[in-house]
Amino acid sequence: EAQVTQNPRYLITVTGKKLTVTCSQNMNHEYMSWYRQDPGLGLRQIYYSMNVEVTDKGDVPEGYKVSRKEKRNFPLILESPSPNQTSLYFCATRSAKVVYQETQYFGPGTRLLVL
Amino acid sequence: GENVEQHPSTLSVQEGDSAVIKCTYSDSASNYFPWYKQELGKRPQLIIDIRSNVGEKKDQRIAVTLNKTAKHFSLHITETQPEDSAVYFCAASEGGADGLTFGKGTHLIIQP
Repeated sequence: EAQVTQNPRYLITVTGKKLTVTCSQNMNHEYMSWYRQDPGLGLRQIYYSMNVEVTDKGDVPEGYKVSRKEKRNFPLILESPSPNQTSLYFCATRSAKVVYQETQYFGPGTRLLVL
Repeated sequence: GENVEQHPSTLSVQEGDSAVIKCTYSDSASNYFPWYKQELGKRPQLIIDIRSNVGEKKDQRIAVTLNKTAKHFSLHITETQPEDSAVYFCAASEGGADGLTFGKGTHLIIQP
């Protein structure tokens, strides 16, 4: 079964305490990305990766880091979380083998609260 | 970069009536336009998409139309049902390395 998984699903933390949200996919997709969703602002892209060891900034990258050491995993790292990073985070993946955009699949989401 | 505007932000319709959600985009190079449905507490799920070489696409009760000249595309839901209540997002992309740029969403409410 095609799957995109995220962990943890819910997280409450305090300002400045480093955290990592993991994302894993079993579809052998080259393209992976992270979005944050905030009320009234829709989904905004944080970072994306076209393949292993290839990452690039999206629209709202400040305060986040990512890595892509393996094709299936794309963790999101908050080195020093702040309250304005309280949000709902989605990982998404798609195939990048064709010229046109392919269907993008979302993970189940991670709800983060930074106190 | 791409900018996607979506209207209305909230839409309330009677069960059985039609609903139309409209989006405009700014980048004439965009060639892929998906629509996602997000139920409360769930992930966005693709419901229909259209590519720039097609003007209209239908799938049962939902359809999407695209006007490349005017740079706008719309989602049409006919014979609405209670399970259509959700937030709907439009998006646009140039394809390739570009990700999707999303509209801010429309909360569709189906009144019984």
